[in-house]
Amino acid sequence: DAKTTQPPSMDCAEGRAANLPCNHSTISGNEYVYWYRQIHSQGPQYIIHGLKNNETNEMASLIITEDRKSSTLILPHATLRDTAVYYCIVRAAYTGGFKTIFGAGTRLFVKA
Amino acid sequence: SQTIHQWPATLVQPVGSPLSLECTVEGTSNPNLYWYRQAAGRGLQLLFYSVGIGQISSEVPQNLSASRPQDRQFILSSKKLLLSDSGFYLCAWSVEEKGAFFGQGTRLTVV
Repeated sequence: DAKTTQPPSMDCAEGRAANLPCNHSTISGNEYVYWYRQIHSQGPQYIIHGLKNNETNEMASLIITEDRKSSTLILPHATLRDTAVYYCIVRAAYTGGFKTIFGAGTRLFVKA
Repeated sequence: SQTIHQWPATLVQPVGSPLSLECTVEGTSNPNLYWYRQAAGRGLQLLFYSVGIGQISSEVPQNLSASRPQDRQFILSSKKLLLSDSGFYLCAWSVEEKGAFFGQGTRLTVV
């Protein structure tokens, strides 16, 4: 699975959009970009994933650059409950399982 | 809908004692199952994964073992715990491209 690079921490004001970047310059053509978050003392929670088109669901939007070497997770209206560690993961589907190693992620602090 | 159950939520065990953590998945068939560990302030480390009954792959050498006696049951074990086994243990499942879905974790403290 390709390596990802994320900033260690970010701040965001409550009610504003939180834009979390991720670099994955070695991504392969069959690899998806996944985003998870982990609130303190809980298991990671799936947020969204995509291959090359932008994706949106009830939690967030995922913007993938045309060359697929980077992506941005957007939380449109951050709340205090969005304070968590956000993990960007790149992996190929149908490769026999989700054997990806989670890195350190980005610690997002949403402030009132 | 699919659900994953992991227990206990917290556990304090003495050094040298055995360990058994259980994870079960409902609402899906033939899932891939995983055990991860997270040390304090660190990222998640994949310990074991299984693509079917009786099939276990180990990602890192360690004091732990895993078993999958049934399709939707995954067990993490140790015969003798070490202090370094302390951590947050997470069970997860995945099906095809949908990514991994995690349980709520077990916080193990070895004293």
